[in-house]
Amino acid sequence: GIQVEQSPPDLILQEGANSTLRCNFSDSVNNLQWFHQNPWGQLINLFYIPSGTKQNGRLSATTVATERYSLLYISSSQTTDSGVYFCAVGGSNYQLIWGAGTKLIIKP
Amino acid sequence: GAGVSQTPSNKVTEKGKYVELRCDPISGHTALYWYRQSLGQGPEFLIYFQGTGAADDSGLPNDRFFAVRPEGSVSTLKIQRTERGDSAVYLCASSLTGYAEAFFGQGTRLTVV
Repeated sequence: GIQVEQSPPDLILQEGANSTLRCNFSDSVNNLQWFHQNPWGQLINLFYIPSGTKQNGRLSATTVATERYSLLYISSSQTTDSGVYFCAVGGSNYQLIWGAGTKLIIKP
Repeated sequence: GAGVSQTPSNKVTEKGKYVELRCDPISGHTALYWYRQSLGQGPEFLIYFQGTGAADDSGLPNDRFFAVRPEGSVSTLKIQRTERGDSAVYLCASSLTGYAEAFFGQGTRLTVV
């Protein structure tokens, strides 16, 4: 099955810093989503991005499907950005395969 | 409804008991998924419904786990003879179609004591 690797596993930044989170996957995908899991456990949709580039405020994402990776950019970090960021991909079936996540801590 | 709703939010049960977890998906979403998340890990797929039928139940860990979606909307995940290892957060998601963007509920935290 598809393997998903996220890096870095942990990231600690000062408020205002920028960051790049990476997701590598081992096969072609029909679905790729980025989620933010807040400290209360809720999974919040950030991007549905099987290919191309999208932006939403301080966040943007790029997926290069031919090279099997996706990047999530967070600019001007705020303490509310803290939490775990997950990349999840779907292949020929409808399951989402998840990476282990990047735990982000933004210090004030 | 506006989002995916799961009830209860928390469930504590004794080992060996039967539990039911409910998911109310976004109105009009034909695809519904159940996932399970243990502490410090990403969610793990359990089962996928397209309409009323379970299109893929390959993630159910054993025959103590069963899920239904009789009218193509609300789904119930049923766990028989619960074990302490079943303790986890059970997440439900729905999407417009199989490959479309999935939206998750807040989860049910199951604790088996």
